[in-house]
Amino acid sequence: EAGVTQFPSHSVIEKGQTVTLRCDPISGHDNLYWYRRVMGKEIKFLLHFVKESKQDESGMPNNRFLAERTGGTYSTLKVQPAELEDSGVYFCASSQEKGYNEQFFGPGTRLTVL
Amino acid sequence: KQEVTQIPAALSVPEGENLVLNCSFTDSAIYNLQWFRQDPGKGLTSLLLIQSSQREQTSGRLNASLDKSSGRSTLYIAASQPGDSATYLCAAPFSGGYNKLIFGAGTRLAVHP
Repeated sequence: EAGVTQFPSHSVIEKGQTVTLRCDPISGHDNLYWYRRVMGKEIKFLLHFVKESKQDESGMPNNRFLAERTGGTYSTLKVQPAELEDSGVYFCASSQEKGYNEQFFGPGTRLTVL
Repeated sequence: KQEVTQIPAALSVPEGENLVLNCSFTDSAIYNLQWFRQDPGKGLTSLLLIQSSQREQTSGRLNASLDKSSGRSTLYIAASQPGDSATYLCAAPFSGGYNKLIFGAGTRLAVHP
């Protein structure tokens, strides 16, 4: 069974540009989560999808971040326009069904904003 | 405030030593606690998940315990090996946060031959 995959693995962009990160969860997992770690800090929650619906987006830092999960399969996280403080590693995770289940993480996308 | 703390931040031990990593949380109303391993430049690998009704979970040389009343979890690694060198993270979903994980900062472990 394939794990959570993320694309790209690295992205380097200029301040003000747009970047789109993609996450493919484990097949059959309804729950999809985005987290990020910025330099020197703990991993922080961004948002949670249940199928195509946003269950919790309390961690999204501002309206420059837009997450979608069309059709309840893969998800994209767009940052527009990117700022220097957006640099970090963005992780995606997925879990089965409802409830407080084990989350499985992808390898992350390292974003560098210059 | 819901927080997860890990002590120590870094640990260096000789191969073969048994060791304990600590994780504490501020609110006993957690639903489970998950331990992860992260290798440099890699994603998070789930090691163990302990449900709030459980006291411990074991997988191979790893044993994780959970004491909700004291707000503590420990990860015990038996007979450590150089391949165990990595950062170990604990995380938990707190009451009111659905399945949103709150992470500790991690313990960076180095096992030297």
